[in-house]
Amino acid sequence: DAGVTQSPTHLIKTRGQQVTLRCSPKSGHDTVSWYQQALGQGPQFIFQYYEEEERQRGNFPDRFSGHQYPNYSSELNVNALLLGDSALYLCASSLVDRGSYGYTFGSGTRLTVV
Amino acid sequence: GENVEQHPSTLSVQEGDSAVIKCTYSDSASNYFPWYKQELGKGPQLIIDIRSNVGEKKDQRIAVTLNKTAKHFSLHITETQPEDSAVYFCAASKRSGGSNYKLTFGKGTL
Repeated sequence: DAGVTQSPTHLIKTRGQQVTLRCSPKSGHDTVSWYQQALGQGPQFIFQYYEEEERQRGNFPDRFSGHQYPNYSSELNVNALLLGDSALYLCASSLVDRGSYGYTFGSGTRLTVV
Repeated sequence: GENVEQHPSTLSVQEGDSAVIKCTYSDSASNYFPWYKQELGKGPQLIIDIRSNVGEKKDQRIAVTLNKTAKHFSLHITETQPEDSAVYFCAASKRSGGSNYKLTFGKGTL
């Protein structure tokens, strides 16, 4: 049973560019959440997608946007990259079910903005 | 919004000893408290969780306790082994039935 798959694993971009990160959720999961983890910090919630709609959003600017496809996979897009956007971006999948608890995280995409 | 404080930021224990990590949360409506272990180059992995209707939960060498009145919860690891070395994160969430929920994380303990 495949877990959460993220691509690419590493990425280097120049300030001002745009980037797209991809995530395939764990089999059977229907919700995808994205988190940003700066070096030495805990993950911070960016947003969450369910049924192809953004359901919740954290304190991130509109430069951060996303999408969820009918097969539950998801993308995170960041426009006009800043040096401060350098971080590990984690995708987590979960199931909207009364009896289901817990996220499954992927290994992340390490984004470096230079 | 929810704020989660985690202590200590670093912890060193001798093999075989016990380790305790403590977290406090601010939102009294939070009702789900997972703990994650993150090894180098990997994403966080759920190791144990507790819901607000339970005071303590154990899974082999790992236990979590919750004090709703004081709004704090703790992770206890007994008989520590070298493979327990990692960064540990606590988190809090308001989980309501079959709904989506987000996690607010502490800053981690190495």
